[in-house]
Amino acid sequence: NAGVTQTPKFRILKIGQSMTLQCTQDMNHNYMYWYRQDPGMGLKLIYYSVGAGITDKGEVPNGYNVSRSTTEDFPLRLELAAPSQTSVYFCASNTDRGNTEAFFGQGTRLTVV
Amino acid sequence: GNSVTQMEGPVTLSEEAFLTINCTYTATGYPSLFWYVQYPGEGLQLLLKATKADDKGSNKGFEATYRKETTSFHLEKGSVQVSDSAVYFCALSDRDGGSQGNLIFGKGTKLSVKP
Repeated sequence: NAGVTQTPKFRILKIGQSMTLQCTQDMNHNYMYWYRQDPGMGLKLIYYSVGAGITDKGEVPNGYNVSRSTTEDFPLRLELAAPSQTSVYFCASNTDRGNTEAFFGQGTRLTVV
Repeated sequence: GNSVTQMEGPVTLSEEAFLTINCTYTATGYPSLFWYVQYPGEGLQLLLKATKADDKGSNKGFEATYRKETTSFHLEKGSVQVSDSAVYFCALSDRDGGSQGNLIFGKGTKLSVKP
């Protein structure tokens, strides 16, 4: 009963490096989301997808890219990492647009030094 | 735009005390309202939800009622336990046609319960 799986759990990047945060879900959900959580703040939406091949920007998309080639996977790409991207990243999925429970992964704690 | 304002923490209570965490919202449509809980080192889990006015969500002794007239969704529990120590997030999801269905979160309230 995996739900939403994120990897890695922790990562330290140097300024200017790139990386991909992986997210996969096994619930056949169409809607998937990437959020970032900064200390003392709620979660902010980075990107979202309403189905395979369809993605769009959320509130804070700068410095990130996503793709959605399958229903299951929704990777988040960081190009040219900056200290401002130090955060905890959560992937989530939902079967319906807002009415039902969103399922979250356990998060990726990223530090950019 | 849509927004959620919740009570600032941290909140520290003794075991068996009564808990209230205030949450108010601003929304243009008819949102669904949620409380999520985040235990240390974990992702968010749905605690309870309400999808229309006057609905009461409840789970694990926690309750919240969707009050459209006061645009509020306050979380309550009559007797907290040490195991309730966590960060609690109030959130809304706008179900109107143009929405992508993502959740709008409050900043979170950290609850610590002492034995």
